[in-house]
Amino acid sequence: EPEVTQTPSHQVTQMGQEVILRCVPISNHLYFYWYRQILGQKVEFLVSFYNNEISEKSEIFDDQFSVERPDGSNFTLKIRSTKLEDSAMYFCASKDRTSNQPQHFGDGTRLSIL
Amino acid sequence: DQQVKQNSPSLSVQEGRISILNCDYTNSMFDYFLWYKKYPAEGPTFLISISSIKDKNEDGRFTVFLNKSAKHLSLHIVPSQPGDSAVYFCAAPGGGGATNKLIFGTGTLLAVQP
Repeated sequence: EPEVTQTPSHQVTQMGQEVILRCVPISNHLYFYWYRQILGQKVEFLVSFYNNEISEKSEIFDDQFSVERPDGSNFTLKIRSTKLEDSAMYFCASKDRTSNQPQHFGDGTRLSIL
Repeated sequence: DQQVKQNSPSLSVQEGRISILNCDYTNSMFDYFLWYKKYPAEGPTFLISISSIKDKNEDGRFTVFLNKSAKHLSLHIVPSQPGDSAVYFCAAPGGGGATNKLIFGTGTLLAVQP
């Protein structure tokens, strides 16, 4: 069964550094998402991406965040200058074009900011 | 902004018995609901969904019930197995637009005792 893959599984970064989280969505999917889960809290939406542009973003997704689909397969989340509070699990998800279909998630990247 | 709520943080059941996980929502515009299962160090895995035009959807051992008047849904697992031990999230697509970000509940940790 096709799956969403994320790399790296764990990223440790110094505060203030830039970090790029990578995702390969399911190949025929058209909608792409990033979510995060801070330890002990709920899964929160960050951003959605469709047709090579951001469709919606949450208030968490400020100017320090950006997303890109640099080629036909990868979908990346960049945090320009990381803060301690960016430490979380980051999940990528994708969905096909049909409405009322589930989003499929990767196994996440654990981001630890020191 | 808790549009999707899971009021039980944990549930413990005996193997072979029924597990009932509950979820409440506040937004009457939600028209589709999903349950995800999450093991530690993995991403959420889609389990089962239900459209608001139905009141029940069944898939093997898993059944989801929707009570629109009460804005309540529940996931029944019968018989429960030790491998079902995981965190279960209720979610609904919200916010409007084609991309339909998922709004998650806080999750219920299910422990199935052998």
